[in-house]
Parts: sequence; structure tokens; C-alpha cells
Amino acid sequence: DSGVTQTPKHLITATGQRVTLRCSPRSGDLSVYWYQQSLDQGLQFLIQYYNGEERAKGNILERFSAQQFPDLHSELNLSSLELGDSALYFCASSVLPNTDTQYFGPGTRLTVL
Amino acid sequence: AQTVTQSQPEMSVQEAETVTLSCTYDTSESDYYLFWYKQPPSRQMILVIRQEAYKQQNATENRFSVNFQKAAKSFSLKISDSQLGDAAMYFCAYRSGGAQGGSEKLVFGKGTKLTVNP
Repeated sequence: DSGVTQTPKHLITATGQRVTLRCSPRSGDLSVYWYQQSLDQGLQFLIQYYNGEERAKGNILERFSAQQFPDLHSELNLSSLELGDSALYFCASSVLPNTDTQYFGPGTRLTVL
Repeated sequence: AQTVTQSQPEMSVQEAETVTLSCTYDTSESDYYLFWYKQPPSRQMILVIRQEAYKQQNATENRFSVNFQKAAKSFSLKISDSQLGDAAMYFCAYRSGGAQGGSEKLVFGKGTKLTVNP
């Protein structure tokens, strides 16, 4: 158990819908990262937050947004869902942005039908 | 942009034997970190081992060790005394050290599926 929690574990929804994925980092970790794992794209970085502020953006679609709250939990919002958005979404956390090790949560499996 | 290549999509090993997984990377940075993560069927991403580029000594963690060749940009993982529980996808990952303004994101290879035969 890495100490990073993600809810829900599984999510099944329809095209065009909107969902919210939630992540709680390890106690004491200030930086949160979101990654997407799909069969065709592999593991890709989406976005990073540090202490409530966006720090870096990767291959995140405009239909996707995220935020980190004062209690340091983070949410990833996915809207106007398409079949291709079906993937495993991971949250990871580290103490500080420049701390080398990121610890991953168990992931949320999103299925878009 | 940094890239990570794992040239072996699948590998197999007999229980108790040794196996080496390959990883090469491309970067122009001198300060960076390298990692191996394990993803068992549960899908959890588990950190196996990490290596700081400035350290010449190869990292070891129990039965897991790396062969870090900085000039060749190679970072292989050796698993000794393989166990059934080692069966998983293994991902090599690169992270900038940040000194040259690089991103703190992890860049992953496509993974190697390891099968352990009893």
C-alpha cells in the first residue's frame, strides 16, 4: 500500500458524460501527478499540481481539467467523454516537486460505452 | 524531449533463475533519475528500484539490481532468484533532475511483460 488513495476504483459511463476522479496523496506529500494508461498510448503524464497550484501540463485534452484543494486532495474532471477516453487513470504523489520518487495510487479504471 | 525504449515486449524466466530486462533512454540532460516500476495483474504501480544519474554505483534492492551505463544511456534491471510473484509488467521510467528546467513528470517506456515459469 503506497498510501495514495483513489476513488472510485471502477467507473462505467456513456459517451458525452462527465466524471470526476478523486485522489488523496500520501500524508505529507504536497505534489500530485495524474497519468493515463491506455493500450495504444501507454503511460502518459497529464498534469501536475503543487500545493494547490498547477505546476506542469502534459498531454491533457481540453475536455479534461484538474485541481488540487487546500487539503491537498486532487480531482480530475473528464467531460464530453469519448470511447477513446477509456483507460486506467493513476494519481501519484511526492513530498515536493523536485523530490525524486513518485508513489502511485491503485488507479481508477474508466470505461466509456 | 526525453524518450525511454524497452526493446523486449515479453520475457520469460524459470523460477529461481536470473533475468535481465533492458532499457535505453535518450536525453541531453546530465541531471536525472531512472526508475523501474512493476505492475502486477492488480494494476498497481509499484516502485522497484531507482538510480540517481550522478551516482556511479549501481542501485540494489534485495534481489533486484540495475546496470546503469550513463555513457551508453542504458539502464537494465536484473532480477535474481526469480519468484512466481515477480511475474508482472515492468516499466522503465525517466525523470528530469530539474536543474536544467526540465519537467518533474515521469516518462515511461512501453513495458516488458515478465512471465515466471514454475
